[in-house]
Amino acid sequence: GAGVSQSPRYKVAKRGQDVALRCDPISGHVSLFWYQQALGQGPEFLTYFQNEAQLDKSGLPSDRFFAERPEGSVSTLKIQRTQQEDSAVYLCASWGRGGDTEAFFGQGTRLTVV
Amino acid sequence: AQSVSQHNHHVILSEAASLELGCNYSYGGTVNLFWYVQYPGQHLQLLLKYFSGDPLVKGIKGFEAEFIKSKFSFNLRKPSVQWSDTAEYFCAVTVYSSASKIIFGSGTRLSIRP
Repeated sequence: GAGVSQSPRYKVAKRGQDVALRCDPISGHVSLFWYQQALGQGPEFLTYFQNEAQLDKSGLPSDRFFAERPEGSVSTLKIQRTQQEDSAVYLCASWGRGGDTEAFFGQGTRLTVV
Repeated sequence: AQSVSQHNHHVILSEAASLELGCNYSYGGTVNLFWYVQYPGQHLQLLLKYFSGDPLVKGIKGFEAEFIKSKFSFNLRKPSVQWSDTAEYFCAVTVYSSASKIIFGSGTRLSIRP
């Protein structure tokens, strides 16, 4: 596609509910990132994939957070047993192969846990 | 660990005023540096980037930034701001040797008075 697509745009979950957030990166982009952006803050790194391999998951805040990219394209971020502190915008970005390039961001999924 | 500091949380200017937003990073090795902008309700967009070469980088919409290695700084400038520059601005860094996570600063909210 033309850009990074994320769905849903908005998600309201009851505390304790599981959620799944989807990211469609730019076609052919090897690298994919997930970020969490709390209100008034900068994006905080969650995890990074190169193709289907999850190379860095050091930013995942707890074992309730899980991300996958089984075929090296679409990725899903899953949050189990959501808590109020999980409320944030979840951003996905993809980055093409090559040294001199940039990451392209999706519009994000705004998760509100009530 | 690498980090990015943005000194100004909220900057308020009048139209035609000059702008400088501060950014400092902490990493002793080779870095790639970025400024992203987030207009209200929109996704993060790249303003400019520095990978190598001329430390004075020009970006879109009249923005520029200067990489000063000795000061670990990458300040964003614009000689004359417009009301349409109202947005959140994020400085970011990646470590050159690792095509992995982009680390963001906490952002600077820019408000332009018409």
